[in-house]
Parts: sequence; C-alpha cells; structure tokens
Amino acid sequence: NAGVTQTPKFRILKIGQSMTLQCTQDMNHNYMYWYRQDPGMGLKLIYYSVGAGITDKGEVPNGYNVSRSTTEDFPLRLELAAPSQTSVYFCASSLIKDEQYFGPGTRLTVT
Amino acid sequence: GESVGLHLPTLSVQEGDNSIINCAYSNSASDYFIWYKQESGKGPQFIIDIRSNMDKRQGQRVTVLLNKTVKHLSLQIAATQPGDSAVYFCAESAGGTSYGKLTFGQGTILTVHP
Repeated sequence: NAGVTQTPKFRILKIGQSMTLQCTQDMNHNYMYWYRQDPGMGLKLIYYSVGAGITDKGEVPNGYNVSRSTTEDFPLRLELAAPSQTSVYFCASSLIKDEQYFGPGTRLTVT
Repeated sequence: GESVGLHLPTLSVQEGDNSIINCAYSNSASDYFIWYKQESGKGPQFIIDIRSNMDKRQGQRVTVLLNKTVKHLSLQIAATQPGDSAVYFCAESAGGTSYGKLTFGQGTILTVHP
C-alpha cells in the first residue's frame, strides 16, 4: 500500500488564485481529514469526512472547500488564495475514528 | 475553545539517556490521546496511543502515562537514539460524535546528541 499520498509537494500561488490540493488513500479508510500546520505550531483541522458524500467543517474551514465523491479521494479546494493560507497542508485518513495516518504534506506559499 | 499544550518546547538529551516529554490538556471530555513524531519535511507519524480508561501503556522503547486527575500526559522514550530527534506532538480527541477530530498541542523539539 502507498498509504496516503498528496500532490503537489510544493506550490506558490499569487493572491486571488485558486488551486486544488489532492489527497488519495489506498487503505479503504472511511475517515479522511485535512489539516494545516503553521510554522512552529501544531496541526489544525480544516475539514473532515466520515465517508463518501459526507463532509463537515473542522476548526479553521474559512477559505476552503472539500468534496468526497469516492472513498479514496478527498481534495481540498482554495478558491481565492490569501497570504494567511501560506502553510503546510496535511491529509490524513483512519479506519476507525482515532488512529490517523498522515500524508507527506503540501507546502503552499501565497504571495 | 479547549486545547492541548506542552510544558517544554525543546528538550536536548544525550544518546542513551531516557527522555520524557510532557503535555497538559484541558478538555475533561477527552477520552483518547495520541503521541505523534514528526521529522523535518514529513507528516506526523503515529507513536503510541492511550484511552482514558488506562493510566499507562507501553510500546517498543516508549511508554505513555496518563494522569486524568491533573490532566497530564507524558511520553517516555527509553535509551534515546539520534534517530529519535524530531518534533513530538500530543493530540487529544473527545468521544461521542467527534469523528476522530484531533486537537494538537504545539509540539516539543527533541534533540539527541551522539
């Protein structure tokens, strides 16, 4: 199993641009999550999903959108990028609601 | 909102020493706690977890202690090795319908000197 994969690894956006961060897991996990990690800080939950077609907001959802059309994929959409969204983004998945497996992250810079 | 925090942001030890990383939590409804290790440029890696009905759990070279009375969690690493150098995060989850939403602490940087 590849586990949790994320693309791209790095991205630089201009203010106002949009992009989609991709996340795929091949472990048949029901639960998937998006976090952001600012420098020197812990992770903060953006959105999560408990299964295909079901998503909900986490702690910091403003400026982001998600969809879950399949069990495997959980893309995160930024519609109007802002400098405050400069961060490292991690996707995670779990079979049960607790032990989460993380992807390698996407480093995003908005200038 | 309630959060999880760490007492010590950095910890330096010699190779072979035992390391103890501490974490305080404030949400009395939390029933599940996890320690993650994060190496530079990588995602968090699961180390060990513990549920609130336990006060101690051991893994390979690691032990997690939970003191619910004072809302304190610790990670003990035995015979610390240079490969243990990383940032360590504690995270907590409330039960019920929280759907595994984890609240992370700030992290402790562990540096192991050869």
